[in-house]
Amino acid sequence: AQSVAQPEDQVNVAEGNPLTVKCTYSVSGNPYLFWYVQYPNRGLQFLLKYITGDNLVKGSYGFEAEFNKSQTSFHLKKPSALVSDSALYFCAVRSTYNAGNNRKLIWGLGTSLAVNP
Amino acid sequence: NAGVTQTPKFQVLKTGQSMTLQCAQDMNHNSMYWYRQDPGMGLRLIYYSASEGTTDKGEVPNGYNVSRLNKREFSLRLESAAPSQTSVYFCASSEITGGLYEQYFGPGTRLTVT
Repeated sequence: AQSVAQPEDQVNVAEGNPLTVKCTYSVSGNPYLFWYVQYPNRGLQFLLKYITGDNLVKGSYGFEAEFNKSQTSFHLKKPSALVSDSALYFCAVRSTYNAGNNRKLIWGLGTSLAVNP
Repeated sequence: NAGVTQTPKFQVLKTGQSMTLQCAQDMNHNSMYWYRQDPGMGLRLIYYSASEGTTDKGEVPNGYNVSRLNKREFSLRLESAAPSQTSVYFCASSEITGGLYEQYFGPGTRLTVT
């Protein structure tokens, strides 16, 4: 069965420090991987995705994520956190098998990031 | 370019009342989705429409119906609201279902059923 795990409900980091939000996955075949961000009282916004190629993917607002096939992980990172990065972050995965239930996007439960001034 | 729009933004219903949540997108996307978001449960897919004229059940379809009115619009109907349907509802769209296309979300509808 396909699944996504975000092992930390909450991550706290000081402004200016690097941040990491973790995501691990399980799919049949190869994965398409996504990160979304949700600011308070807003809909989700797409941040970045891994489809194929370079394992380091760069996205919006200075975020990047590293695909690690052997560890089945896709952790979100930023070198220097801002207070405005405080939000809820969702990881999602889909299998490259484009049939049946493999077509559906599987969502993690979200990680709340708090960046302290 | 408004993206994905949803109406209403807020709604309070009494148990047993009905209502329709409206969603429209102006990105010429083929696929549309309805999700609900509850604390500790993440996002759960209620129904989706891979293309105009088709709809399919997601994880939690019971108590809901949908209509893909045309390529732009996808509505969600609660026929007889229950307190368990208190949630925040998001509509989303993407170029196609499956594959590598990201989803674009509306601002959400916060529904309370008393």
